[in-house]
Amino acid sequence: EIVLTQSPGTLSLSPGERATLSCRASQSVSSNYLAWYQQKPGQAPRLLIYGASSRATGIPDRFSGSGSGTDFALTISRLEPEDFAVYYCQHYVGSPPFTFGPGTKVDIK
Amino acid sequence: QVQLVESGGGVVQPGRSLRLSCAASGFIFSTYAMHWVRQAPGKGLDWVALIAYDGDKKYYADSVRGRFTISRDNSKNTLYLQMNSLRAEDTAIYYCAKSRSGGYSSPFDSWGQGTLVTVSS
Repeated sequence: EIVLTQSPGTLSLSPGERATLSCRASQSVSSNYLAWYQQKPGQAPRLLIYGASSRATGIPDRFSGSGSGTDFALTISRLEPEDFAVYYCQHYVGSPPFTFGPGTKVDIK
Repeated sequence: QVQLVESGGGVVQPGRSLRLSCAASGFIFSTYAMHWVRQAPGKGLDWVALIAYDGDKKYYADSVRGRFTISRDNSKNTLYLQMNSLRAEDTAIYYCAKSRSGGYSSPFDSWGQGTLVTVSS
């Protein structure tokens, strides 16, 4: 089973700043089958990035994903007020379980 | 547009059963794998179960295998989760989620609003 770790646990930034979130896998995620989700309080998660770097439908281009193998990153180029949320990475390679990372909370500094 | 609406949550005593439903619309339900994902209060996301588009293959998290059963009725565009022998640690919001493509190895591109299950005496 692939275990995902995310860092930092919390990222305190101001609107307009750049955010870089990290996701590390315990073994290589083949075909870059790695996704990122955003979750705001009281809401369901929303798919942001899949295939490590492809934006999902309707996702603004300030969100970008990168990485391969065991190290991945989500970058928000300029934080908007609506971007303060919790972000989860997830792998979907091979057979389940398709585990999630513990999440990174991006909050307002 | 895609819509997933869960129902069936509530308060249940330890050891009892509950069945969740997820009504799907806005896409060809019978051609997509579907998942259940849960989130305990204040915690992260926890994948629970997967069912293939035709119901032929099913997978479970170790924590629920043997107690939970995922199923689907493609004629009714509905996904189910039968939960037996419930434990306090099963307390969570349960989300149904749609695979982005028909295969298993696919991200979850649509989610329901969730239904809360509370296991307590």
